[in-house]
Amino acid sequence: SQQGEEDPQALSIQEGENATMNCSYKTSINNLQWYRQNSGRGLVHLILIRSNEREKHSGRLRVTLDTSKKSSSLLITASRAADTASYFCASGHSGAGSYQLTFGKGTKLSVIP
Amino acid sequence: GAGVSQSPSNKVTEKGKDVELRCDPISGHTALYWYRQSLGQGLEFLIYFQGNSAPDKSGLPSDRFSAERTGGSVSTLTIQRTQQEDSAVYLCASSSRGGGRAGEQYFGPGTRLTVT
Repeated sequence: SQQGEEDPQALSIQEGENATMNCSYKTSINNLQWYRQNSGRGLVHLILIRSNEREKHSGRLRVTLDTSKKSSSLLITASRAADTASYFCASGHSGAGSYQLTFGKGTKLSVIP
Repeated sequence: GAGVSQSPSNKVTEKGKDVELRCDPISGHTALYWYRQSLGQGLEFLIYFQGNSAPDKSGLPSDRFSAERTGGSVSTLTIQRTQQEDSAVYLCASSSRGGGRAGEQYFGPGTRLTVT
């Protein structure tokens, strides 16, 4: 399996604190994406970082990518109760005319009001 | 605008029956993906359609699973002779680009399949 790994599996923090989630992957990538999922249904895209980028920001989100270590991190600053969800990283890789996103198992974030 | 839609939202079926799950991608999106998510797990890639190219079926777990995409738009995932281990949420996603330029995917709400 090419599935990546997120760390930690679960994270519980107080509102206002920062949340950091880490992700590792196994193959070379075109890009790495982070998604959010509420209540086990559809995923919402948060941010995409290309393989030649090292850091990217979007609002309260900050993503880093270290291709030498095949790892990425997602930082959510000043967390809110509404940030409670599962967060998945997905490594995008192409080959033989196909393109796949390989998802990790996710980090379950709980933000306590 | 309209997002990705899937139907039905929930499906309960008896072991051994066939089921069909439908996905309507965002209009104009050339790439369409099917994933399966078991309880508390990440997403498992099943199949990828890109334009008129032959689909990438490398993720289909057995020959009981098949999918088609008619007219480059709507897709149907069919599971024949369902087994209890097929119980999962089946998610469909579409993207405006495929191949090496592929970017973010837009997901539907999923179909929760329960095989009894």
